[in-house]
Amino acid sequence: DTEVTQTPKHLVMGMTNKKSLKCEQHMGHRAMYWYKQKAKKPPELMFVYSYEKLSINESVPSRFSPECPNSSLLNLHLHALQPEDSALYLCASSQGDTELFFGEGSRLTVL
Amino acid sequence: QQPVQSPQAVILREGEDAVINCSSSKALYSVHWYRQKHGEAPVFLMILLKGGEQKGHEKISASFNEKKQQSSLYLTASQLSYSGTYFCGGRWDTGFQKLVFGTGTRLLVSP
Repeated sequence: DTEVTQTPKHLVMGMTNKKSLKCEQHMGHRAMYWYKQKAKKPPELMFVYSYEKLSINESVPSRFSPECPNSSLLNLHLHALQPEDSALYLCASSQGDTELFFGEGSRLTVL
Repeated sequence: QQPVQSPQAVILREGEDAVINCSSSKALYSVHWYRQKHGEAPVFLMILLKGGEQKGHEKISASFNEKKQQSSLYLTASQLSYSGTYFCGGRWDTGFQKLVFGTGTRLLVSP
């Protein structure tokens, strides 16, 4: 069983929809991450929440917005996405500079 | 800032050895290594925190040359289960804990 839980596992949405991806961890980790991964490419860092402080990859468009309601939850709000945003979205957590624990991912398709 | 890996792909027969290299244009604080199988999330292999450090478990080991800003992953007596894509991950500071994945190396081990 993975200790980082992502929901939903699959999501199909239109370009005018608003949806959210959710991520939860119960390991007490103080850093949580969102990565985007296209086929045959490395995971690309989008956002990091570390000790309640947000770090953003400046290349990420504003149609993606993260939210960290508490230290164990990390959401990714999606609005007005484009077909090229279709990808696997991976959530991960870590404590300090230690291993990242990944969730199974949310596969997003934008029509 | 993305680390560059070489080779891009390698095919081995079971029992053969391989070396995967990871280079950074900027001084690294730490290096992670992950393996990702098709359709799955990346799985942590090891982390190297100091220049010149070497680590290993079973038949997979790694080194980190801080001066050359380079890390290498050594796979000895490869097994079929080693097949997958290997990513190094680099951190360049101790602040936001951003982990940026390298370009990736696809490894196929055949019987």
